[in-house]
Amino acid sequence: DAEITQSPRHKITETGRQVTLACHQTWNHNNMFWYRQDLGHGLRLIHYSYGVHDTNKGEVSDGYSVSRSNTEDLPLTLESAASSQTSVYFCASSEHNRAGELFFGEGSRLTVL
Amino acid sequence: LAKTTQPISMDSYEGQEVNITCSHNNIATNDYITWYQQFPSQGPRFIIQGYKTKVTNEVASLFIPADRKSSTLSLPRVSLSDTAVYYCLVGDTNAGKSTFGDGTTLTVKP
Repeated sequence: DAEITQSPRHKITETGRQVTLACHQTWNHNNMFWYRQDLGHGLRLIHYSYGVHDTNKGEVSDGYSVSRSNTEDLPLTLESAASSQTSVYFCASSEHNRAGELFFGEGSRLTVL
Repeated sequence: LAKTTQPISMDSYEGQEVNITCSHNNIATNDYITWYQQFPSQGPRFIIQGYKTKVTNEVASLFIPADRKSSTLSLPRVSLSDTAVYYCLVGDTNAGKSTFGDGTTLTVKP
C-alpha cells in the first residue's frame, strides 16, 4: 500500500545544531507539505512543494528550509535549531489539483534544548 | 487566506448526532472546505470535503450554506471512538494557500 513516512519519529537536539527531518511518500503525489503543530494550536504551514525543484514558503517559514530533488522526498532542515522550534512536525502530500485532500504522516516530535 | 474559527471544545454522548461549525467569512471563490480528524500522536485524517450545498459519505455529512461563510460537519450517532480533534481547512485546489482552524476537541461520553 502507498504511504507517507517520517523519520525520525522523535529527536532531541541542542540549540544551534542543524536538524533534518525526512519525509518520504509512495503515493507519487506532486504536492508535499510540512506543518508544525504546537500544543493548543492547529497546524501551521511551514513550506510546500508542487513538484520537483519547486519550493514555496508557508506562513511560518523563518528558520526552516526544504528542497525537492525527486517526487518522493521533501526533507525539512532547521539550519540552527532554536527552542521555539520545539514542536511536532507533520509531513503531508496530495495529488495535483485534488482540492485540499491531504495525506499525513505520523509526525516527528522535535525537542530543542 | 481565509481565516477560520471553530469552537474549542464540545461534549456529547454516545448515539447522539454532533454538529461542529466552522466560520470562514472571507472564503474565496476557488476555496474548498475540508474536514480532518486527529487522534493523539497521529497525523490528521481526511473526513469529508465540499464546495457548496451538502455532501455526504459513509462517516459524515457536510453542510455549506449558499454564502459559504460557514460550514457544519455532522457526525451521526457518535461513539466513544469519535473522541478526537476535528479541524476544518479552507483553501484552494493545491492546499498551499489554505488555513487550518485551531480545531475542536470532541469528547464523547458513555
